[in-house]
Order: sequence, then structure tokens, then C-alpha cells
Amino acid sequence: EAAVTQSPRSKVAVTGGKVTLSCHQTNNHDYMYWYRQDTGHGLRLIHYSYVADSTEKGDIPDGYKASRPSQENFSLILELASLSQTAVYFCASQARDAEQFFGPGTRLTVL
Amino acid sequence: GEKVEQHESTLSVREGDSAVINCTYTDTASSYFPWYKQEAGKSLHFVIDIRSNVDRKQSQRLIVLLDKKAKRFSLHITATQPEDSAIYFCAAANYGNEKITFGAGTKLTIKP
Repeated sequence: EAAVTQSPRSKVAVTGGKVTLSCHQTNNHDYMYWYRQDTGHGLRLIHYSYVADSTEKGDIPDGYKASRPSQENFSLILELASLSQTAVYFCASQARDAEQFFGPGTRLTVL
Repeated sequence: GEKVEQHESTLSVREGDSAVINCTYTDTASSYFPWYKQEAGKSLHFVIDIRSNVDRKQSQRLIVLLDKKAKRFSLHITATQPEDSAIYFCAAANYGNEKITFGAGTKLTIKP
């Protein structure tokens, strides 16, 4: 069965600190995505990737970086965490022209 | 860019009745319309999709309708059951489906 895992599952960070969220998939999918979920906004796309060593900006990339060192792994980096980045973050993987498989989510609280 | 509007933010129906969730999109190039379900405290999972070459698709109790002219699509859940209670997200993507735009979600509650 398709599997997407995320770590950590929850994190408390301080304003101005660096945060790295990790995602690992065993689906052999080329595409991977990072979304954030806020109440009333649905899911908003932060960064995505078609292939290892390449990332693309999504709809709300400001304040975030992404890294795709291998097909299986996709990280989201907050260099200087801010209060407004408190949210639940979901990673997803997808084969071309097919549905997305989501990870369990990471609840990030920035204080 | 594409914008997807989900018209009902909340919806409550009696068990056994039908539920309908409506969405509209703005980009005429969009050709793939998936729906995802998020149960309380959980992640999202895919439930059904429709592509622009058809206007109706059914999977068991789920029916999706697509009106390309009006740029509108809808999810119909028939004979609702308690386990249908969840947040449902509609979405739209262009050919190849590399980048999906989600609606804000509809919280569906099934009343006994």
C-alpha cells in the first residue's frame, strides 16, 4: 500500500528559529508536495517537486524553502520561523496524472 | 492562477438523505477534478475524481457531476451514513495534474 510518512508529527518552535519538516514516501512517485492547512483556507501549496534535486514554488512559497535530495525524500525548511507559520503541514506524493497520497501531517506551533 | 470556490462551508443532512457539495473553478484549462475526504483529526484521502471528457461519474454512493460551460462541479453522496461525516475538499488541476488547487473545504455532518 502507498505510504507517506512525516516527521516530526508535532513541533513547537521559537520565533526566529530554524525548522525542518521531513517527508518520506515509498510509493515510487515522481511528484511530491508540501501544503499547509489553516482553518477556512483549505490546503495551500507551498512547494512541489517533479524530480529529485529540483523544486518548484507553489502558491505561497515566501518564508519557506524546499529540498528534494532523492525521489523518496522531500523536506520543508523554515529558516526564520514566524508566528504566522503556525499551521498543520501535509506532504503528499503522486504519480503523473493520478491522485495524491497524503502523509499524516505535522502540527507546527511557533511561539 | 486557478481559484476553486467551495460554496458550502458546512452542511448538515439526516442519515439516509443525500448530500450535495458544490464547487466552481476559474481556469478553463483545468481538466481534472478530484475530491478528498478528511475525517476528524486525520489526514486527507482521495475519494473520487472526474475528468473533463465526461460529465458524470459514479462510484458506489458517490456521484460527481461536471458542467464545463458553467465551470462548476459537484459531489453527491446518496444514502448518507454516519461515517460520511468529514470535511470534503474539491480541487482542480490542469492536464498532467501536476499542480492541484484546493477549495476551502465543506464540513459535512450526518445527523441520526
